[in-house]
Amino acid sequence: QKEVEQDPGPLSVPEGAIVSLNCTYSNSAFQYFMWYRQYSRKGPELLMYTYSSGNKEDGRFTAQVDKSSKYISLFIRDSQPSDSATYLCATPSMDTGRRALTFGSGTRLQVQP
Amino acid sequence: NAGVTQTPKFQVLKTGQSMTLQCAQDMNHNSMYWYRQDPGMGLRLIYYSASEGTTDKGEVPNGYNVSRLNKREFSLRLESAAPSQTSVYFCASSEGTRSGGTDTQYFGPGTRLTVL
Repeated sequence: QKEVEQDPGPLSVPEGAIVSLNCTYSNSAFQYFMWYRQYSRKGPELLMYTYSSGNKEDGRFTAQVDKSSKYISLFIRDSQPSDSATYLCATPSMDTGRRALTFGSGTRLQVQP
Repeated sequence: NAGVTQTPKFQVLKTGQSMTLQCAQDMNHNSMYWYRQDPGMGLRLIYYSASEGTTDKGEVPNGYNVSRLNKREFSLRLESAAPSQTSVYFCASSEGTRSGGTDTQYFGPGTRLTVL
């Protein structure tokens, strides 16, 4: 079982919609979660991170962790065409002694103008 | 600052050929990583170097070797390329000073490799 699982999409929404992107993780010891955004033909870049349970908000983006169900989510409010990208969840990998990250497979998001 | 740079940007190889992918960072980071990205598979870790002088295998190390040449540079070598190694390769770096792998990783632009 992969440490982090993610629905690959693609997900297509109209401009202004609220977007929900989700991942599940396998190990209840995971405490730190990140969301990376990757534009087409570019390298990923950190969008935001969250620690343990709860929410973290940054502008139109909210990251949420539900440890009871091992579920992490990224919500995008008032989505814009510029949000069209692949979104990857990640967490420090137990297989590497948490010295490196393990990534979900990524969800491709298309926001239609 | 250029951040993380990778060369070449594109490469086409024939089966059995060898090549080295180069990566350099100018952020004085301790840790560096090599990933491959395939459709539907996300980013998979090939090798990483937690600090200068150390390298460790990741999830998919077979068919690859790495060299941490110095603090700035981390190269990935394919000794005998196979079609299964057709992929996009990303190098990344992080400070490596925070515990639990919680450093922000900074990625290069990627190398698109096709093995015929």
